[in-house]
Amino acid sequence: DAGITQSPRHKVTETGTPVTLRCHQTENHRYMYWYRQDPGHGLRLIHYSYGVKDTDKGEVSDGYSVSRSKTEDFLLTLESATSSQTSVYFCAISVEPSLPQYFGPGTRLTVL
Amino acid sequence: DAKTTQPPSMDCAEGRAANLPCNHSTISGNEYVYWYRQIHSQGPQYIIHGLKNNETNEMASLIITEDRKSSTLILPHATLRDTAVYYCIVRLKTQGGSEKLVFGKGTKLTVNP
Repeated sequence: DAGITQSPRHKVTETGTPVTLRCHQTENHRYMYWYRQDPGHGLRLIHYSYGVKDTDKGEVSDGYSVSRSKTEDFLLTLESATSSQTSVYFCAISVEPSLPQYFGPGTRLTVL
Repeated sequence: DAKTTQPPSMDCAEGRAANLPCNHSTISGNEYVYWYRQIHSQGPQYIIHGLKNNETNEMASLIITEDRKSSTLILPHATLRDTAVYYCIVRLKTQGGSEKLVFGKGTKLTVNP
């Protein structure tokens, strides 16, 4: 999977707790993305990063924050998890916007 | 923003060519057509992309019509491992300049023995 790992791969948590998902790449790609995938909605972009400490919102960013303190790591944080954030989360990377994005294996998050 | 239309499902016999169509009649001149696939529970996998000309790589061929309003992904010799959901995507720009991928519902391809 193009040198992309996500951790944890599975997590069950309770409503109201903070959760952080990690995406790690070994490709030194500048761009990194967080998507969520839900039945009936396909993949939707949450946040993306175009460099260290450079991030921007996607279409479903409410309730999520991100941080990128180094090239290889992109963190997604749910400050106070809700049941509506139960989903499969995918990280993706690309060299530049015009080139393909490569996806990680995903994290399945369940918020009870 | 250009949208895509794909059939919800298709079947193909193992060893035969699988031809997956996609309609993108509102595509603009500088937008690329991308194809990804997603095998059950895995992350989406990039297959191929193109602008105007037909493209071929080790996985597939992409045929884009001259008016660019539709395209066809061809898997020349489908195997059981090609069973997946295939997404045809047109690249869209976000405000920050990074291009996001908009995944529709895709085509569920089932390769039968």
